[in-house]
Amino acid sequence: GENVEQHPSTLSVQEGDSAVIKCTYSDSASNYFPWYKQELGKRPQLIIDIRSNVGEKKDQRIAVTLNKTAKHFSLHITETQPEDSAVYFCAARRAYALNFGKGTSLLVTP
Amino acid sequence: DARVTQTPRDKVTEMGQEVTMRCQPILGHNTVFWYRQTMMQGLELLAYFRNRAPLDDSGMPKDRFSAEMPDATLATLKIQPSEPRDSAVYFCASGPGESEQFFGPGTRLTVL
Repeated sequence: GENVEQHPSTLSVQEGDSAVIKCTYSDSASNYFPWYKQELGKRPQLIIDIRSNVGEKKDQRIAVTLNKTAKHFSLHITETQPEDSAVYFCAARRAYALNFGKGTSLLVTP
Repeated sequence: DARVTQTPRDKVTEMGQEVTMRCQPILGHNTVFWYRQTMMQGLELLAYFRNRAPLDDSGMPKDRFSAEMPDATLATLKIQPSEPRDSAVYFCASGPGESEQFFGPGTRLTVL
């Protein structure tokens, strides 16, 4: 089955700096890659996604890049704010199943 | 702003008891997923329904877990008998297809 590795497991940045979270996947048939943000005690919320026919997608301060050849994709958050502090999960989809990474706990300090 | 709803939000029960968790998917979504989240294992897929038909429940312990969709507005996940290792947060998610998935608030289950 699909195996998704996510790094780093924790990340601390100063407010205003950029944060980058990286994921790799094993199944070359995966074709959809969402990112979820989960605040403590809350539900995972879809923040951005990318499909395998696109290399990059941007939405305001967040962007996702996909390298199909290398089988890795990354989340970039620019101008980080304290409210960006949360756990971020990447996922890769093959057929119907989303396989999630183990999560990155992002802390943005003022 | 349509959202997936789940009940109960918290459940504390004793080992051996039956637990039923309920989910109301977003109206019009034809896919429903059940996930379990623990610190050790992260988010694991338990079951998947499309148009109310169960297509995959390979992630569930078959002897004690069961998932059903009695109608388009209700999905259930049942554990009988419950065990302490079942303690986790159980999320339901629905989607307009197999890509985007929108999560419910979760049911935090504690089995003593």
